[in-house]
Amino acid sequence: NAGVTQTPKFQVLKTGQSMTLQCAQDMNHEYMSWYRQDPGMGLRLIHYSVGAGITDQGEVPNGYNVSRSTTEDFPLRLLSAAPSQTSVYFCASSLDRGPETQYFGPGTRLLVL
Amino acid sequence: GENVEQHPSTLSVQEGDSAVIKCTYSDSASNYFPWYKQELGKGPQLIIDIRSNVGEKKDQRIAVTLNKTAKHFSLHITETQPEDSAVYFCAASMEYGNKLVFGAGTILRVKS
Repeated sequence: NAGVTQTPKFQVLKTGQSMTLQCAQDMNHEYMSWYRQDPGMGLRLIHYSVGAGITDQGEVPNGYNVSRSTTEDFPLRLLSAAPSQTSVYFCASSLDRGPETQYFGPGTRLLVL
Repeated sequence: GENVEQHPSTLSVQEGDSAVIKCTYSDSASNYFPWYKQELGKGPQLIIDIRSNVGEKKDQRIAVTLNKTAKHFSLHITETQPEDSAVYFCAASMEYGNKLVFGAGTILRVKS
């Protein structure tokens, strides 16, 4: 198993540009989530999904969209990038329909100029 | 909503000594408490977790204790080694809840 994979590893955007961060898992996990990590603030939940076709908001959802058309993939879309979205983004997944025993991907470092 | 506070923010110990990291949570309904270790440039990795029906759990050199009355839980690492140097995060969520709330993290440095 490849586990949780994320692409790209690093991205530079200009303010106002849009992009999609990709996340995939090959463990047939039901629960998938996106976090952002900022210095001194731990990880904050952006959006999550408890299964294909079901998504919901986390703590900091503004400026981000998600969809879950398959069990394997959970892309995160930035609609109009802002400097405040400069961060490291992590995708995670877990077998059951909750955040217990989550496996994290390697992260995407995003810089918005 | 849930709020998790973590202390200390940085911790330096000598190799072979013990390290203790403490977290407090605000929502008494929370009953799942994991600890994650994050090495430089990598994603967090689950190292141990505890549920509210258990007061203590051990896995080799790592242990977690939970005091539900006081709403705090702690990570204990004994006989620390240089490879234990990393950032450690605590977190909390409710049973059958969908959201994990993280503490701000502790940078652990083990000096050899």
